[in-house]
Formats: sequence, structure tokens, C-alpha cells
Amino acid sequence: EAGVTQFPSHSVIEKGQTVTLRCDPISGHDNLYWYRRVMGKEIKFLLHFVKESKQDESGMPNNRFLAERTGGTYSTLKVQPAELEDSGVYFCASSQDIQAATDTQYFGPGTRLTVL
Amino acid sequence: GNSVTQMEGPVTLSEEAFLTINCTYTATGYPSLFWYVQYPGEGLQLLLKATKADDKGSNKGFEATYRKETTSFHLEKGSVQVSDSAVYFCAARGAQKLVFGQGTRLTINP
Repeated sequence: EAGVTQFPSHSVIEKGQTVTLRCDPISGHDNLYWYRRVMGKEIKFLLHFVKESKQDESGMPNNRFLAERTGGTYSTLKVQPAELEDSGVYFCASSQDIQAATDTQYFGPGTRLTVL
Repeated sequence: GNSVTQMEGPVTLSEEAFLTINCTYTATGYPSLFWYVQYPGEGLQLLLKATKADDKGSNKGFEATYRKETTSFHLEKGSVQVSDSAVYFCAARGAQKLVFGQGTRLTINP
């Protein structure tokens, strides 16, 4: 079974440009999460999809970030325009059944975003 | 909301040493607790988990016990190897999202 995949693995852009990150969850996982780790700090939650619906987007830092999950499969996270403080590693995770106490989130390898 | 506090690193040990990485949490209710590991150049991998008080999670020689009375989930390993060098993250899950500690970088010297 394929794990969570993310693309690209690394992106370097200039301040003011736009970047789109993609996440493909594990097949059959309805729950998809985005997290990020900035400057060696803790990993912070951004948002949570259940299928194509945004369940919780309380962690999105501002309106420069837009996440979509059309069709309930893969998800994209767009940053427009990018700022220096957006640099960090963006992780995607998926899980099968949030109703179960044993539900586990499986993470992708992350996308390292560098804004110059 | 939930919060997780992790032992600050970096931690450097010699091979075969005993390892403890402290993790405490604050939460309303009883969250599920996790340890994730990030090896150099790789993504986050689930190392172990515990879903209720007194549960012990274990994997690859690592163990952690869910202690409700001390709100802790310390990670231990009796004899570390060079291959254990990585960044370790403690996390708590309340409703849905995970709340992480700041991560502990572990380096094992031969």
C-alpha cells in the first residue's frame, strides 16, 4: 500500500511569488491534514479535511493560504503571495477513521519551502 | 486546548546508553498520545502510541507509558544504536488534530 506522498519535495521561491503544494493521501483515507514546522519549532496544525469538506481550518495563518481538496482525493495548499515567514516544512497526513480512539495519522515526507 | 512540552535537545549519547526523552501534556479529557520520529532526510514516521491511561506503546525497542497521574508519556530505550539518531516528536490528539512538542534531536555516537 502506497503511503502519503507530497510534491514537490523542495521548493525555493522569491517573496511575492505563488507556490502550490500537493498531497496525495493513502487510498481510502477520508481525513487529510496539513501541518507545518517553521524554523525548527514545533509542528503546528493548519487544517483538516473530511473528504472534500474543510472540517477545521483554525490553524491557517492568514488568507494568503488556500487549501482545496476537490473530489475528496488529493489536496493542494497554495500560498499567494509568499512571505519570508512562510519558509518551513509543510507536512500532509491522512487517517481513516477519526471516530476510533486508535485512529492514526500517517505523514508524508514533507515539502520544504524556502522563500527568499 | 491541548499542549505538549518536550525535553529540550539536542541530546547526545554513546551507543548502548539508556535513553529517556521526557514528554508531558496538558489536556481536557484523555487524549491519545504518540511518538513520531523523523530520520535524516525522511518524513515523520509513527514510532508508537497509547490511547488510554496505563497503556504502554512499544516499537523497535522504544517504550512509553501513558501516565495519567503525572500527565506524562516519556520515551525510553534501554540500549540506543547509531541508527536511532533522529528527531523525536511527542504528540497528543484530542478531537482530531495533533498537537506536537517542539521535537528533540538525538545523536548517538559510536
